[in-house]
Amino acid sequence: GAVVSQHPSRVICKSGTSVKIECRSLDFQATTMFWYRQFPKQSLMLMATSNEGSKATYEQGVEKDKFLINHASLTLSTLTVTSAHPEDSSFYICSANRGGGEQFFGPGTRLTVL
Amino acid sequence: QQQVKQSPQSLIVQKGGISIINCAYENTAFDYFPWYQQFPGKGPALLIAIRPDVSEKKEGRFTISFNKSAKQFSLHIMDSQPGDSATYFCAALLNTGFQKLVFGTGTRLLVSP
Repeated sequence: GAVVSQHPSRVICKSGTSVKIECRSLDFQATTMFWYRQFPKQSLMLMATSNEGSKATYEQGVEKDKFLINHASLTLSTLTVTSAHPEDSSFYICSANRGGGEQFFGPGTRLTVL
Repeated sequence: QQQVKQSPQSLIVQKGGISIINCAYENTAFDYFPWYQQFPGKGPALLIAIRPDVSEKKEGRFTISFNKSAKQFSLHIMDSQPGDSATYFCAALLNTGFQKLVFGTGTRLLVSP
């Protein structure tokens, strides 16, 4: 299968700070990447679709000013959680579309906001 | 209409048994149905997938059965092993401009030794 990496795997930050999470497709180019959020024992919730060279498309209820997404190249998308608060603590997972609907997921980033 | 309903929520199977997880959908615009396996603290891994023009797909111990008329699909894990203990998610791809995956609620599988 295709490889998608995420960095960092775990981050702890103070309330009010911003956190950047990187998602890279290592062995294929992805014009589209996706960002998900997952709460414990729940399914994945799509936050936004990231398209290379254009603005991200956010799902209903997701604050675009809170969760900044940049898809700078065909192999890199970043999610910045701005002014993070404890309620933003979650497991954030990205995926990359290899084409034909195949999405490959990164290992996830555990964010804890104190 | 964009939901994918998954059952059971949890499943306990003895080693060597068959694990069966079911999913159902309403939207006929879905055209690709993958299954993902997720271990605690890890991202989901693509296990096996099927398109609606095929009724069954088998890869090793994993089989997807697809019933287009009933809008249902299922994952069968043959000869279940303790290492298969994980959460399994079915998904369906909405292919209308953006390719958006809609996930089921997940099934926690425990294979007892």
